[in-house]
Amino acid sequence: GAVVSQHPSRVICKSGTSVKIECRSLDFQATTMFWYRQFPKQSLMLMATSNEGSKATYEQGVEKDKFLINHASLTLSTLTVTSAHPEDSSFYICSAGSGGPLSYNEQFFGPGTRLTVL
Amino acid sequence: QQQVKQSPQSLIVQKGGISIINCAYENTAFDYFPWYQQFPGKGPALLIAIRPDVSEKKEGRFTISFNKSAKQFSLHIMDSQPGDSATYFCAASRGGGADGLTFGKGTHLIIQP
Repeated sequence: GAVVSQHPSRVICKSGTSVKIECRSLDFQATTMFWYRQFPKQSLMLMATSNEGSKATYEQGVEKDKFLINHASLTLSTLTVTSAHPEDSSFYICSAGSGGPLSYNEQFFGPGTRLTVL
Repeated sequence: QQQVKQSPQSLIVQKGGISIINCAYENTAFDYFPWYQQFPGKGPALLIAIRPDVSEKKEGRFTISFNKSAKQFSLHIMDSQPGDSATYFCAASRGGGADGLTFGKGTHLIIQP
């Protein structure tokens, strides 16, 4: 199956700082990448959809100035949490849509990044 | 508005038994229905997915049953094993899976040896 990596896997930062999370599709090109957030013992919530070379589309209620998304290439998308606060502490997971040489449009998820804001 | 409703919230099954998880959706524009398995601290892993042009899909021990008129779909895990103990999420999206996924709330499955 398709492999998606995320870096870092875990980050702890102080309130007010910014954190960048990288998402890479390792063995396929992903024209579309997605960012989700998952709070403890809860489901995944879509935050934004990122297409290579264009601005991300954010879901209702997600602050685009706080969660900056850049999709610079077909294999890399980044999420930057700006001026992080304790309520931003969560598990951030990206996914990459196959939509190409692999069958159909399956989404393959990365391993996630645990963000803790002190 | 919860667009994908999943039940049960938790499920305990004996080893070798059949695990059944159900989902119902509201948005008739959904046309792609995957199931994911997630272990603690890990990202979800795609198990199996179905489109509404078929009523059933089987891959190994995993089967999806789909009822378009009822807007329901379910996951059956045959011969359940302790290693299957995990949280399972159903999801749905439009555009044949090209859009972002709307997830159910998850089912915590425990397989007792």
